[in-house]
Amino acid sequence: TQLLEQSPQFLSIQEGENLTVYCNSSSVFSSLQWYRQEPGEGPVLLVTVVTGGEVKKLKRLTFQFGDARKDSSLHITAAQPGDTGLYLCAGDGDRDDKIIFGKGTRLHILP
Amino acid sequence: DSGVTQTPKHLITATGQRVTLRCSPRSGDLSVYWYQQSLDQGLQFLIQYYNGEERAKGNILERFSAQQFPDLHSELNLSSLELGDSALYFCASSQGTGIGAFFGQGTRLTVV
Repeated sequence: TQLLEQSPQFLSIQEGENLTVYCNSSSVFSSLQWYRQEPGEGPVLLVTVVTGGEVKKLKRLTFQFGDARKDSSLHITAAQPGDTGLYLCAGDGDRDDKIIFGKGTRLHILP
Repeated sequence: DSGVTQTPKHLITATGQRVTLRCSPRSGDLSVYWYQQSLDQGLQFLIQYYNGEERAKGNILERFSAQQFPDLHSELNLSSLELGDSALYFCASSQGTGIGAFFGQGTRLTVV
């Protein structure tokens, strides 16, 4: 069974600090996605990484896919209160088309 | 706005009842996914359809069923409802695999 483990589960930091959250698996994924979810709303797709070692930047957010395509990280520079939310990583099943999700990192940025 | 529409937004029903949740995918998307999200469980994959055919199945209860119609909208039917079925139910759509999906706003189901 493919599993995605995210760490830390919770993170509370001051505005302006940098942070990194992680998504790990023992399985190889053809691609991984990162989503952000606000309370009571659906997840919003932030990025998809496909190639091992790939780095993608979205303003202050930097996403990296591990060389072996088993892990990914999300780095936020100079965090802002608007970055507060639940960050989810997800990947496609190895034998079918389902998208499986990690349990997420709940991020809280204090002003 | 993701372009994925789910109705209704909220649903309150009694135990033992049956409900139908509806999803209209983004224009052009052939894949539809259904997820259940409870407070403790995270996003649990239920089922996926691609152009009308079931493609993948998760830990979906036998009391639950779904289908995707020729116009690509999808319905999730939940029957013999129990208190534990109370959750947010999300639909997502995608053009293909490995590129992520776009989620609707969800249906909040409360079983009393």
